[in-house]
Amino acid sequence: GENVEQHPSTLSVQEGDSAVIKCTYSDSASNYFPWYKQELGKRPQLIIDIRSNVGEKKDQRIAVTLNKTAKHFSLHITETQPEDSAVYFCAASSGTGRRALTFGSGTRLQVQP
Amino acid sequence: NAGVTQTPKFRVLKTGQSMTLLCAQDMNHEYMYWYRQDPGMGLRLIHYSVGEGTTAKGEVPDGYNVSRLKKQNFLLGLESAAPSQTSVYFCASVRGWGGTYEQYFGPGTRLTVT
Repeated sequence: GENVEQHPSTLSVQEGDSAVIKCTYSDSASNYFPWYKQELGKRPQLIIDIRSNVGEKKDQRIAVTLNKTAKHFSLHITETQPEDSAVYFCAASSGTGRRALTFGSGTRLQVQP
Repeated sequence: NAGVTQTPKFRVLKTGQSMTLLCAQDMNHEYMYWYRQDPGMGLRLIHYSVGEGTTAKGEVPDGYNVSRLKKQNFLLGLESAAPSQTSVYFCASVRGWGGTYEQYFGPGTRLTVT
């Protein structure tokens, strides 16, 4: 089955700096890659996603890049703000059949004011 | 639309007790999922359903059973709870047609087994 690895497990940045979180996946059939933000005690919240036919997608301060050949994808947050502090999860799905997500282990991002 | 709802929000069980978690969605989604999230970890798939009357095992199905008698509801059962099942349980749904993949999550059920 699919295996998703995520790094780093913790990340501390100064307000205004950029943050990058990286994930690798194992199943070449995966074609949907969402990123979730989870605050303490809350449900995962989709912040951005990308399909395998796209190499990069951007939404304001957030961007995701995908390298299908290398089987890795990354989340980029620019101009970080204290409210970006949370746990971020990457995930992968084959997009067919069961369409279930396989999650990475999470990155705790702390933005220091 | 209420989206995806879960009942109950919290529950404490003793070892060996049984319970059922209810997930309901009002978006007419075909696919539904149960995940568990342990502290410091990502979500892991327990069981899923690709349509009314169908269920299948995910990565961590042992100790759980599911049923999907109605399209809008997906039930997760614990027949004999164990401390290892202490976790936060999230239900999710996917539309299943139109090329959409986005999963809609419920608010979660925090279960403690003592």
